[in-house]
Amino acid sequence: DTGVSQDPRHKITKRGQNVTFRCDPISEHNRLYWYRQTLGQGPEFLTYFQNEAQLEKSRLLSDRFSAERPKGSFSTLEIQRTEQGDSAMYLCASSLTLDTEAFFGQGTRLTVV
Amino acid sequence: KNEVEQSPQNLTAQEGEFITINCSYSVGISALHWLQQHPGGGIVSLFMLSSGKKKHGRLIATINIQEKHSSLHITASHPRDSAVYICAVRGGGADGLTFGKGTHLIIQP
Repeated sequence: DTGVSQDPRHKITKRGQNVTFRCDPISEHNRLYWYRQTLGQGPEFLTYFQNEAQLEKSRLLSDRFSAERPKGSFSTLEIQRTEQGDSAMYLCASSLTLDTEAFFGQGTRLTVV
Repeated sequence: KNEVEQSPQNLTAQEGEFITINCSYSVGISALHWLQQHPGGGIVSLFMLSSGKKKHGRLIATINIQEKHSSLHITASHPRDSAVYICAVRGGGADGLTFGKGTHLIIQP
């Protein structure tokens, strides 16, 4: 297993376009988290899944954001009608259980122009 | 909601110096993580602890649950330790991690 992988690593899109990011967690990790990090700030929690169930969503996750983990393995994060304020690093992490170490992906850097 | 404060925000030191980064949080937690982030975004987990002290190589992490405070120490610092060090906590009603803003550490040769 090569760890948590995210695709793409970089995405530049025009305002108003839709984008989708993918995260492949470490195999057998039940929990999958999405975070967003803007320049100079620490990451902020967006949402998390336990297997295929989305258990918690942050207020940061507006109606334009949707996340899925259909088979309890990989997850996608879609942003519709992107805005310049969506420009950030989107990080995915996975862990085996609630209180075990979290492993992070390299992130997807989104730039909305 | 847990508030996580780190200090200092920026730290520049000479190679070989003993480094301390502090983290305070506002409400009880189930676990505290210390993470390292290099330019380009990748985050590496250094420690996860809920009590006491952990050591890995030149890195030491301690936590005082009563005082809601944790410290990360780096002994014999080296330029390759230059990175952003982030404290994150789980608890306070949320399953996701709440992060500090990070401490930007530069170790000069």
